[in-house]
Amino acid sequence: DIQMTQSPSSLSASVGDRVTITCRASQSVSSNLNWYQQNLGKAPNLLIYGASTLPSGVPSRFSGSGSGTDFTLTISSLQPEDFATYYCQHSYSTPFTFGPGTKVDIK
Amino acid sequence: EVQLVESGGGLVQPGGSLRLSCAASGFTFSFYSMNWVRQAPGKGLEWVSYISSSSSTIYYSDSVKGRFTISRDNAKNSLYLQMNSLRAEDTAVYYCAREAKYYYDSSGYNVFDYWGQGTLVTVSS
Repeated sequence: DIQMTQSPSSLSASVGDRVTITCRASQSVSSNLNWYQQNLGKAPNLLIYGASTLPSGVPSRFSGSGSGTDFTLTISSLQPEDFATYYCQHSYSTPFTFGPGTKVDIK
Repeated sequence: EVQLVESGGGLVQPGGSLRLSCAASGFTFSFYSMNWVRQAPGKGLEWVSYISSSSSTIYYSDSVKGRFTISRDNAKNSLYLQMNSLRAEDTAVYYCAREAKYYYDSSGYNVFDYWGQGTLVTVSS
């Protein structure tokens, strides 16, 4: 199975800050990398697919990059509704494992 | 509007059984593969099981293989998870999630694009 890691596990930031989260796969997943946002007590929401593509309705302050084993999620200017936990997930081969998550909270 | 509504969670003793259901609406259920994903209290997301649209392909995580059974009834727009021999470590919120293929630049990517609200399973004596 492909293992996913994320760093940092948590971070504190202020509204307006630029935030970057890193995800690494234990082997190449090409561009088969998704990001999800989960607010406390809610189900996850799809944020980015194919490593860098935003589904309809996702604000453009979110961006993703990378391919192979190393990926990043960037929030260009953190908004109050962005304080949440972010998970990467590969969809290269079953099982589609998730990273351990990165919690973004208010500084 | 796509909706996924889980039910069937609750408190069960170790070694017991529980059957979760996920009622789907707002889309053609029989066209989509489905998954169960769980989240232990205060922990991250863990994929549990997958079933293809026609039930011809099924996968399980190693942690539940041999104890859990995924199934679906396309006529009833419903997904199920039969959980047997439950352990304390199975305590979690269980989500059903629709799997879809999203395309960009002629490449297709599998995503979990819609999720239910989750149902809590607590395994404790």
